[in-house]
Formats: sequence, C-alpha cells, structure tokens
Amino acid sequence: GDSVTQMEGPVTLSEEAFLTINCTYTATGYPSLFWYVQYPGEGLQLLLKATKADDKGSNKGFEATYRKETTSFHLEKGSVQVSDSAVYFCALSETSGSRLTFGEGTQLTVNP
Amino acid sequence: GAGVSQSPSNKVTEKGKDVELRCDPISGHTALYWYRQSLGQGLEFLIYFQGNSAPDKSGLPSDRFSAERTGGSVSTLTIQRTQQEDSAVYLCASSPKSGYNEQFFGPGTRLTVL
Repeated sequence: GDSVTQMEGPVTLSEEAFLTINCTYTATGYPSLFWYVQYPGEGLQLLLKATKADDKGSNKGFEATYRKETTSFHLEKGSVQVSDSAVYFCALSETSGSRLTFGEGTQLTVNP
Repeated sequence: GAGVSQSPSNKVTEKGKDVELRCDPISGHTALYWYRQSLGQGLEFLIYFQGNSAPDKSGLPSDRFSAERTGGSVSTLTIQRTQQEDSAVYLCASSPKSGYNEQFFGPGTRLTVL
C-alpha cells in the first residue's frame, strides 16, 4: 500500500537557519503530494502541494519539488523564523478526492 | 467564511460508553473525511464521504466505529463500547468536490477514554 516516510524529529534550529525536512513516498500510481503544517493549538493547514513530477510547490518561503525518480518531496526554507515552529506533515493522495496518507510528522522548533 | 467545525472539542468518557462526534463541513463542500491522530499511530484515515454515501470506509478500525452523513452536510462519527485505545484526536476535513485535491481540516475532537 501507499506510505510516506519523513525524517525523524524533532528538529531544532536557530532563527535564519536553512531548513530541510526529508520526505519519501511509496505509491502504486502517480500521486499528488502535500505538506501540511500544524501550529500549536491549531488545526492542520495545507502549506503547499504538487500534483505531477517536477512540479514545485511554494508558499510562505517554503518550497518542495516533486521528484519522481527519487520518490521524494523534501521541504526546504532558506531562512526560518520563530513563527515557523510547528509540526510538519508530508502526505500523498493517490487519486483526486481520495484519502490522504500522512507521514509521521516532524516537530520543528526555531529559537531566536 | 466559516471553516470546518467539530464538536465537542474535548470529550472524556468511561470505558464501555458510546460517544458521538460531530463535524460541520464548509458549506457547499461535497467531500468529507474523518481521520484519527494518536501517539504512536500518527494520522490515520478512517472514512470518506462523497455526498451522503461512503465509497471508502476501509480505515474504520473495528465494527465499533460507524459514521453517517445526512443532507450532504453534517457528519457524525459514532464509537460504541469505547476502549482506552480509542483515545485520540479525531479530525474531520472537507473538500469542495470530488477531484479537488486540497482538504480543509477542522480543529479536531480530543477523546479521552478512562
């Protein structure tokens, strides 16, 4: 079945540091890929998405590129802020409108 | 506009009791999903509704779990004879229509089974 694997957390960085959170997936078809973020005390929010190979999703300074050859969708940000502290989830959807399969989540803490 | 709402926000119950969790999707959204978030299991899919029908209920963990959706809007997730392992945050999400990728999540219901 489908699965998503994220790098183990938690991750602690200083403000303005570079962020990478690795995500790899296993799927039988050509899934859509997502990063969701959960800020403290809030619900899950879509951060960015990519629906086909080589697409780059971007939002709020975060980027991720759909790499079919390495089955990866790594999340990056050039300069993190304290306000980026949250739990980040990588997810896939095999077909439009179907269930999301999530990774384990990565807790990010950014210190001033 | 109003987002996905869920009630109650917190529910504490005793083992063996039945509980009902409610989800109000964004108005006009035809697709509705239930997920469960628990320590050790992460985020798990439970069931998907398109309108009032459930084409995918494969994530329900046992026959103690059931869900329904009426009028293409509100959904209720029912857990019968609750067990301690049912303790988790139950999340509801909706999408504007089938084929639309983004799911919009509610704040969740935290269920604690004593």
